[in-house]
Amino acid sequence: AQTVTQSQPEMSVQEAETVTLSCTYDTSESDYYLFWYKQPPSRQMILVIRQEAYKQQNATENRFSVNFQKAAKSFSLKISDSQLGDAAMYFCAYRSAKTSGSRLTFGEGTQLTVNP
Amino acid sequence: EAGVAQSPRYKIIEKRQSVAFWCNPISGHATLYWYQQILGQGPKLLIQFQNNGVVDDSQLPKDRFSAERLKGVDSTLKIQPAKLEDSAVYLCASSTGYNEQFFGPGTRLTVL
Repeated sequence: AQTVTQSQPEMSVQEAETVTLSCTYDTSESDYYLFWYKQPPSRQMILVIRQEAYKQQNATENRFSVNFQKAAKSFSLKISDSQLGDAAMYFCAYRSAKTSGSRLTFGEGTQLTVNP
Repeated sequence: EAGVAQSPRYKIIEKRQSVAFWCNPISGHATLYWYQQILGQGPKLLIQFQNNGVVDDSQLPKDRFSAERLKGVDSTLKIQPAKLEDSAVYLCASSTGYNEQFFGPGTRLTVL
């Protein structure tokens, strides 16, 4: 079974600064997808960024980028120029590519606080 | 495009009572998921439907939880009878199967 671990329950960053959230995972599969989801307080989960395991290039979405280290099974999220609206719980998630639409396996989450 | 709809948003019940949650996925999404998110934890899959068939219910406590997706569109998740440890947010998500999963706002259940 796959597992996802987020070792930082809480992180804080100053507005306009950069922060990196860590995630490691364990799997015996070679083809899979990794995701970072954002869950603001009392609001719904939204996708921040996605990485296909077969791609060597790290995914980037505006201020959000990942550092995907397949051999180390590491998938960190970097948020540049942090904004107050980035404050939320961030979840790292894994999905097998074996079958379409397979389940997401989530980590425990990292609560990000952005200080003005 | 309308998102995933869920109701109710909040529910408070006493233990041993029954409760039902409703989810309407994004139009055209064949795959529907119910996740349970206990406070301070990541969501955990309870059940997955492909159209109106169950694909994965391996983590569904079948002695008290049941779910159906009649006609392959909206879905209902039921708990009967509820226990204190069922207090959680119940998230519904949908996808076409090949793209990302889109989540609804969730139903926050408190069992007293």
